[in-house]
Amino acid sequence: GDSVTQMEGPVTLSEEAFLTINCTYTATGYPSLFWYVQYPGEGLQLLLKATKADDKGSNKGFEATYRKETTSFHLEKGSVQVSDSAVYFCALSDQGSGGGADGLTFGKGTHLIIQP
Amino acid sequence: DTAVSQTPKYLVTQMGNDKSIKCEQNLGHDTMYWYKQDSKKFLKIMFSYNNKELIINETVPNRFSPKSPDKAHLNLHINSLELGDSAVYFCASSQGGLGNQPQHFGDGTRLSIL
Repeated sequence: GDSVTQMEGPVTLSEEAFLTINCTYTATGYPSLFWYVQYPGEGLQLLLKATKADDKGSNKGFEATYRKETTSFHLEKGSVQVSDSAVYFCALSDQGSGGGADGLTFGKGTHLIIQP
Repeated sequence: DTAVSQTPKYLVTQMGNDKSIKCEQNLGHDTMYWYKQDSKKFLKIMFSYNNKELIINETVPNRFSPKSPDKAHLNLHINSLELGDSAVYFCASSQGGLGNQPQHFGDGTRLSIL
């Protein structure tokens, strides 16, 4: 079945540091890939997405590139802020196995802590 | 206006009780979902509804039953609550069944079983 593996935290960085959160996946079909962010006490918010190989999703200074050859979708940001502290989830939706109505397959989440 | 809203936000109850969580979306989406997030933050799909039809049911006990009165609502009924049901339950919605559209999530319902 489909699965998503991401580095587990917590990841602690200083403000303005460079961020990378690794994400790799396995899928039976041709998935769309997503990063979601969850702030304390809130639901998940879409951060960015990519639907085909070599697509780059970007939002709020975060970027991730869909790498089919390495089955990866690593999240990066050049200079993090305290306000970026949250839990980040990598997820896939596998169009090849029933389509989007099958729901998202999530990684276990990475807790990011940014210190001033 | 909140796009996906679920009520209640907190639900504290005793083992053996029956409870419901309501979800409504005003985005005009045709597919809705329920996810369970455990104490370690792991999220897993429970159900999805597309055009009022149940599409999947992932190894969820039959004590859990989704009810969709219309395209904008997907409620979750839970019978005979057990300690292991304690979790945060998220409702979500999306447009289309191809999987390339993002899902929009509610703020969650924290269910605590005493």
